[in-house]
Amino acid sequence: ETGVTQSPTHLIKTRGQQVTLRCSSQSGHNTVSWYQQALGQGPQFIFQYYREEENGRGNFPPRFSGLQFPNYSSELNVNALELDDSALYLCASSLVGDNSPLHFGNGTRLTVT
Amino acid sequence: AQRVTQPEKLLSVFKGAPVELKCNYSYSGSPELFWYVQYSRQRLQLLLRHISRESIKGFTADLNKGETSFHLKKPFAQEEDSAMYYCALGSNYKLTFGKGTLLTVNP
Repeated sequence: ETGVTQSPTHLIKTRGQQVTLRCSSQSGHNTVSWYQQALGQGPQFIFQYYREEENGRGNFPPRFSGLQFPNYSSELNVNALELDDSALYLCASSLVGDNSPLHFGNGTRLTVT
Repeated sequence: AQRVTQPEKLLSVFKGAPVELKCNYSYSGSPELFWYVQYSRQRLQLLLRHISRESIKGFTADLNKGETSFHLKKPFAQEEDSAMYYCALGSNYKLTFGKGTLLTVNP
């Protein structure tokens, strides 16, 4: 069984730039969720994708967007980066179903300067 | 709005002592509660969920709707239990996490 993998592990960007983070779901999983974890905080829900469509969204602005591909891999795109976007971004995959247990990746550490 | 509160940022106990990590929630519907754990240099992983009503690694958690709590308990802590513990509430396909409690079990 292949777990959730994320790339890159670390990334440094400048304010105003755009970034793309990538995630490969655990084999057999068809739903992917993205979370932002700021330092000292718990993960905060960004959005979820199922069947290549956004299935739910947290309190994040439209400059946070995503994609899910037919192989269930996913991307998180953030435009016009702000300093407060500096955080650990976690991808989690699961089977479809309300509150199905999430399997997390190791995350991508994004630093915006 | 749903909210999860973990009042203790840090908790330190000695090996063999009982441990209780507190979690309180605010939610208007019927909640589904989880505990996730992150060991050092490992990814966040599910420890247990209230609907399973099972004990994992000696940990149990009971949902108390009257007190809106879902405290995590273990009668005899082990050094390998040292980790970051997050309580989470599930609704509408998303999890709302608390800020976490760092548990240290001293030898």
